[in-house]
Amino acid sequence: QVQLKESGPGLVQPSETLSLTCTVSGFSLTSYGVNWVRQPPGKGLEWMGTIWNDGSTDYNSALKSRLSISRDTSKSQVFLKMNSLQTEDTAIYLCAREEGSSGFFFDYWGQGVMVTVSS
Amino acid sequence: DIQMTQSPASLSASLGETVTIECRASEDIYNGLAWYQQKPGKSPQLLIYNANSLHTGVPSRFSGSGSGTQYSLKINSLQSEDVASYFCQQYYNYPPLTFGSGTKLEIK
Repeated sequence: QVQLKESGPGLVQPSETLSLTCTVSGFSLTSYGVNWVRQPPGKGLEWMGTIWNDGSTDYNSALKSRLSISRDTSKSQVFLKMNSLQTEDTAIYLCAREEGSSGFFFDYWGQGVMVTVSS
Repeated sequence: DIQMTQSPASLSASLGETVTIECRASEDIYNGLAWYQQKPGKSPQLLIYNANSLHTGVPSRFSGSGSGTQYSLKINSLQSEDVASYFCQQYYNYPPLTFGSGTKLEIK
């Protein structure tokens, strides 16, 4: 069955770089896009960016200068790197699969990983 | 960027009642709208896409409607398991995809 699972450090120092991995199973990254979405504690959802099935990327312009999304199709993994982290980047980071045929929405989500930015 | 204004921010209703949550887009999104349910401590789950199409496995008491800039999610016969936050998301015009601010639904 389709699964996505995020992994990465729970604590990052201010000004440092965040590196997260989304490991997927049950589908191919060459058939579906995978997105990163974040949610500050108790708040709403913010779309960060996507890596499409062809490997191209799109980013939220608010984060574009700090954000990079890439993948390793042989390992079924999608990577997020974001630099210059600040306390306001503290959030649950989720990866989600784009549904792919009817529109740009998400039919499967990972459980999320909590990232705290603090010294 | 398309802004999504969701209301109400919170809602309390009795079991068996019908509740409606609304999203207003800052411009016409031509039914490019999805609704998600997020239970406490869990990741979001897709309920509705294309404004009114029920996702596989979602109970029929959930329905979506609307057009243009105004959309709504209706939950008939409210059940205890419907306690959650609900978010709308537009995908007509991107990047960026944008979400509503969410509605927290509680049982009275």
